[in-house]
Formats: sequence, C-alpha cells, structure tokens
Amino acid sequence: GAGVSQTPSNKVTEKGKYVELRCDPISGHTALYWYRQSLGQGPEFLIYFQGTGAADDSGLPNDRFFAVRPEGSVSTLKIQRTERGDSAVYLCASSLDSHTGELFFGEGSRLTVL
Amino acid sequence: KQEVTQIPAALSVPEGENLVLNCSFTDSAIYNLQWFRQDPGKGLTSLLLIQSSQREQTSGRLNASLDKSSGRSTLYIAASQPGDSATYLCAVKTSGTYKYIFGTGTRLKVLA
Repeated sequence: GAGVSQTPSNKVTEKGKYVELRCDPISGHTALYWYRQSLGQGPEFLIYFQGTGAADDSGLPNDRFFAVRPEGSVSTLKIQRTERGDSAVYLCASSLDSHTGELFFGEGSRLTVL
Repeated sequence: KQEVTQIPAALSVPEGENLVLNCSFTDSAIYNLQWFRQDPGKGLTSLLLIQSSQREQTSGRLNASLDKSSGRSTLYIAASQPGDSATYLCAVKTSGTYKYIFGTGTRLKVLA
C-alpha cells in the first residue's frame, strides 16, 4: 500500500480480554516498529522487527504483550488479559531498513479498556 | 540512557511570525534525528530527517538544524500559518541502537 495501515482504528474491550492489533507496513520496508502513546506524551518504544525477527523487544512492558511478524511484512501486536492501564494509542511505523532510518507512521489503533 | 526534551511544551503565535522549536538530547552519539508533526487524533507525519553527518535540512518553509556537540536540534518555521497548528515531535536514534526516543512535543497554535 501507499502508507502504513493499521487496524482496527478503534478498539473498546473489557478488562481481562485478549486483543490483537494489526499493522501493514509500506511495501518493501524491512524495519517495523511498534510504539504506544498516552495522551499528552510522546510515543514510547515497544518493539522493533528487522524482517521476521524481533531485534529489540526491550520496550514491551510485561509478558502480557507479544508481537509477531511471521512473513516479514504484516505484524500483529497481541495483548493478553488487558488492563485499564493498557488504554492508549498504539502506533506502528516502518522504514526502508534500520540504517536509512526515516520512519513512516500509521494512523494508530486507539485501545480503550473498560 | 538517551533522554529527549522539548521546550516549550506549548506555544501560541500570530500568523506570519517566524518561530523556533527546540529539541535537546543527553547522548550526543546519535545516528540521526527526525522531526514529526502530529495533528489531533492522527498519526505522526515525517517532516525532516537529519543524519548525524549533516548540519541541517530544509523543506519548504521548514529548516531543521543539528548540533551534536551541544545535544540540540532546532526546527525553524518561516511565515507561520494557521495550518501549521499541530504538535511537533522530535525523535533521536542513538548510535548502536535501533529505536527512536521521542520528546513529549511542542503544541503549536498559530492564530489567524
């Protein structure tokens, strides 16, 4: 596609439920990032993929969070046993590779945990 | 640990003014620095990317400069317009890492 696509744009769930958020990066981009943004804050790094592998997952807050990118293109962020504190906008970004570095972001998935 | 600070947090100016937004970072060993614009409820739009070997980049009315030794970047906006109203974020990639660290942004309002 022309840009980074994220679905769903909005997700409302109940505490304790399981959630999946999807990211479709720009075609040909090998580097993919997930960030989380709370109101009034800058994006907070979660995980970085180079190809299919997670090269840096140091930003995942705990083991309820997991992300995959099985074919080196689309990525899914998975959150188990959601908590109210997980409510935020989850942003995905891609770049041509980790060296050229210019990030292009999607519109984000707004997650609300009731 | 890299930390990125943006001052001021908010800025309101009349249309037509030239203005400067500031970004400071604590670790000068950076790979590159990127400026973004974010409209309310939207994702981030890339404005300018400065590699560590560069001193500045220009795009239209925007000019970004980089001074690694002092840990600073500035985004200069010429002849501001109401359509420039948004939050401006800077992000730094430190050498030897993959991730960008973001500041908290400057909320700009340009008054007609």
